[in-house]
Amino acid sequence: GAGVSQSPSNKVTEKGKDVELRCDPISGHTALYWYRQSLGQGLEFLIYFQGNSAPDKSGLPSDRFSAERTGGSVSTLTIQRTQQEDSAVYLCASSPHRGNTGELFFGEGSRLTVL
Amino acid sequence: AQRVTQPEKLLSVFKGAPVELKCNYSYSGSPELFWYVQYSRQRLQLLLRHISRESIKGFTADLNKGETSFHLKKPFAQEEDSAMYYCALTGGATNKLIFGTGTLLAVQP
Repeated sequence: GAGVSQSPSNKVTEKGKDVELRCDPISGHTALYWYRQSLGQGLEFLIYFQGNSAPDKSGLPSDRFSAERTGGSVSTLTIQRTQQEDSAVYLCASSPHRGNTGELFFGEGSRLTVL
Repeated sequence: AQRVTQPEKLLSVFKGAPVELKCNYSYSGSPELFWYVQYSRQRLQLLLRHISRESIKGFTADLNKGETSFHLKKPFAQEEDSAMYYCALTGGATNKLIFGTGTLLAVQP
C-alpha cells in the first residue's frame, strides 16, 4: 500500500507569498503530525491531529502558520506571508494509534525555499 | 521541560569499528524512548524503541534512567549504516514525539 504522500515535493516562493503544503496520510491512520526539519535544528514539532481535531498545536511558530484536516484524512499546512526563516523541509507523519506509541510513518517531505 | 540532546552532529568511524551514538533526555516522568533513522534519499523511519528491548540491524539501545541516557550502540559498523540518526521521546499526556537534533553517522570503508 501507499505510504504517506506529500505535495509539492519542492516549492520555491518569494518572501511575502502564501504557500499550502498537502499531506495524504496512510489510509485508516487517525493520528497525523506535522514537523519542520531545518539544518542543525532537528525535527521541530508543529501540530498534531486526532481525526479532524488538533488537540496540540503548540509547535506552530507564529500566527502565520495554520493547519487543517478534513474527513479524517488529508491535511493542509498553510504558511501566510512567508519569510526566509520559514525555509525548511516540512514533514508529515501519520500513525494508526489513538494514543502515542511513538511509531510514526513519515512522508518524504516538502522542501520549502523562500527567496 | 522535555528535551532530547544529541551532542554529536557528526560521528565518523571505520567499517568494523564499534559505534555509540549518544542521546540524553530531560523528562519529569517515565518517558518512552526511540531511535529513528534516515538513510540517504529515504524517509525517516523507526529503528527501535526501548520498551521492545530489541536488536535491529545489529543496533541496541538501553534506557539508563539514572543517567537519563538512551545511547545507540553497534559492535561492528557497516558502510550501509551510514545515515542520520534521531533520538526521540514521548510520554505521559503528550501525543507528540520530541526529537533531538540528530547525528550523522559516516562509516568509512
